[in-house]
Amino acid sequence: GQNIDQPTEMTATEGAIVQINCTYQTSGFNGLFWYQQHAGEAPTFLSYNVLDGLEEKGRFSSFLSRSKGYSYLLLKELQMKDSASYLCAVFDSNYQLIWGAGTKLIIKP
Amino acid sequence: GAVVSQHPSRVICKSGTSVKIECRSLDFQATTMFWYRQFPKKSLMLMATSNEGSKATYEQGVEKDKFLINHASLTLSTLTVTSAHPEDSSFYICSARGLTPLGEQYFGPGTRLTVT
Repeated sequence: GQNIDQPTEMTATEGAIVQINCTYQTSGFNGLFWYQQHAGEAPTFLSYNVLDGLEEKGRFSSFLSRSKGYSYLLLKELQMKDSASYLCAVFDSNYQLIWGAGTKLIIKP
Repeated sequence: GAVVSQHPSRVICKSGTSVKIECRSLDFQATTMFWYRQFPKKSLMLMATSNEGSKATYEQGVEKDKFLINHASLTLSTLTVTSAHPEDSSFYICSARGLTPLGEQYFGPGTRLTVT
């Protein structure tokens, strides 16, 4: 079966750094996405990785290792507005998006 | 990024009535649109995938006669919840994907449906 695992909840302090991990087992792989979702709102796109390595975009970075079936989202200089759920999703061989359950990130002052 | 609109944002209806939700891609042509529902504190659950001009493909366990999907043009898809029941109350989100399969999905803002 297809499976994406990420922690259910994480807590971090304002101004700090947090890393949210995602591991996946899917039938084929055509890229991995990270989305941010605030409570009561639709997800918004953060990043897309299809090749191994680190993609940096401002305070957010995303890393992919295809051989390990592993990705992480790194958030630096955390702000209170970063409190949200972070969803990991993988394009399988049919370009269907397989979603993780999301990681709820709580930022404390 | 591309913009997807969804209407209405909130709707309250009585049990037994039908509700139509519209999803529009405003600045790109969406060859594929997806409909999700999301219960509180749960992940997105894909209901169906629709390609313009063809019948929608429903996920297992989703009743196609209850959740009618029409993708009549490259910029519009509609979801009609027929004979709504309180258990249909949920957050319904559409997303759209353009001509490039590798392109990310752009999400609409979602529709909060409450069935009383």
